[in-house]
Amino acid sequence: EAGVAQSPRYKIIEKRQSVAFWCNPISGHATLYWYQQILGQGPKLLIQFQNNGVVDDSQLPKDRFSAERLKGVDSTLKIQPAKLEDSAVYLCASSSRLRAGYNEQFFGPGTRLTVL
Amino acid sequence: GENVEQHPSTLSVQEGDSAVIKCTYSDSASNYFPWYKQELGKRPQLIIDIRSNVGEKKDQRIAVTLNKTAKHFSLHITETQPEDSAVYFCAASFGNEKLTFGTGTRLTIIP
Repeated sequence: EAGVAQSPRYKIIEKRQSVAFWCNPISGHATLYWYQQILGQGPKLLIQFQNNGVVDDSQLPKDRFSAERLKGVDSTLKIQPAKLEDSAVYLCASSSRLRAGYNEQFFGPGTRLTVL
Repeated sequence: GENVEQHPSTLSVQEGDSAVIKCTYSDSASNYFPWYKQELGKRPQLIIDIRSNVGEKKDQRIAVTLNKTAKHFSLHITETQPEDSAVYFCAASFGNEKLTFGTGTRLTIIP
């Protein structure tokens, strides 16, 4: 099966500019996650969707970050305006929960964002 | 919320020796504990996972042990090989809720 797809792979912007990332999960996966991974750290969840509804966005900086998952398939994450500290890899993951009780998540290749 | 601590942050072992990475978690309700391997510039990939109703799980050279009472779990890699060099992350979650990741361990296998 095809894996999680993300684009672009790399993005360089100046602070205060806007940027958007796209994710297409594994076909049939109802749950989609966006993580932020700062260099040298573990991934931190930004937002979790179940189909097209938000399950958890408690760590999403809502003053500048937004995300949507229209039609319950692919998703976009937007940053507006970007700050220097937003420089990170943005990972998308999806899960199907076919194995009851196992929250097995599959990650995309990530988008490396550099804010200058 | 859940907090996961991971040790050590870096680990170097001779090829063929064993490597052990340890994690502790704070939320006693957590019941799912995966381990991810992330090679430089690549995506995290699940290598093994365990649920709280199991104390140990093995998959070839990789094993994970879980101590629910002490709230800690460990990754054991035996007969290490150069391709085991990577950053390893532990994580914990409850049910279908979010994964909370540890800070990672950079494992280097010395030929």
